[in-house]
Amino acid sequence: QVQLVESGGGLVKPGGSLRLSCAASGFIFRDSYMNWVRQAPGKGLEWLSYISTTGASTNYADSVKGRFTISRDNGYNSLYLQMNSLRAEDTAVYYCARTNDYGNGWYSAFDIWGQGTMVSVSS
Amino acid sequence: QSALTQPASVSGSPGQSVTISCTGTSSDVGSYNLVSWYQQHSGKAPKLMIYEGDKRPSGVSNRFSGSKSGNTASLTISGLQAEDEADYYCCSYAGVSTYVFGYVFGTGTKVTVL
Repeated sequence: QVQLVESGGGLVKPGGSLRLSCAASGFIFRDSYMNWVRQAPGKGLEWLSYISTTGASTNYADSVKGRFTISRDNGYNSLYLQMNSLRAEDTAVYYCARTNDYGNGWYSAFDIWGQGTMVSVSS
Repeated sequence: QSALTQPASVSGSPGQSVTISCTGTSSDVGSYNLVSWYQQHSGKAPKLMIYEGDKRPSGVSNRFSGSKSGNTASLTISGLQAEDEADYYCCSYAGVSTYVFGYVFGTGTKVTVL
């Protein structure tokens, strides 16, 4: 079935690094725009980054620009998020999600979500 | 980019209708008919309920409908049911430049079924 499964979360000290992975199955990953979205405990959703089908186009939210890097490996149907210089405020559940354009070229709807992986930044 | 503004909570009795507003700016909600809405039950991943302002994905009940006027989008839940109790988030596409874009989510609304 259609599925996204995140992994790699855990406890890390401030200033540390972590790499999240997201394994896709049940849909054509190489044709999909992919994203990372996070949710701090008790807070709302925050979009972090997107990557185009080939990886040629990416963008980041200001809150993580310069610290986080999104990448993908279409051969392994996998999405990644390299997180450096982590701060306490990066503590959150991290979701990978696909954006769908429903055939019109506008990738605006997050239609497939993973179950999330928890990242805790604390000394 | 600042989060879109939603009411913190709305409530209604079973069978009633509730409407959630989502206010942005001329740079996001007002510039594109690309607002989506998500339902999130406690401890679960979000679920797409509405896309492109007023379209429902396959499998989503027609009790959910979306609209937009100016810089404000709205989600209406008709015939409220106990299972609709959840958090709801709007999200807007936000163009940065010709080939670069981003997204901004709303602050979230807790829907309570009385």
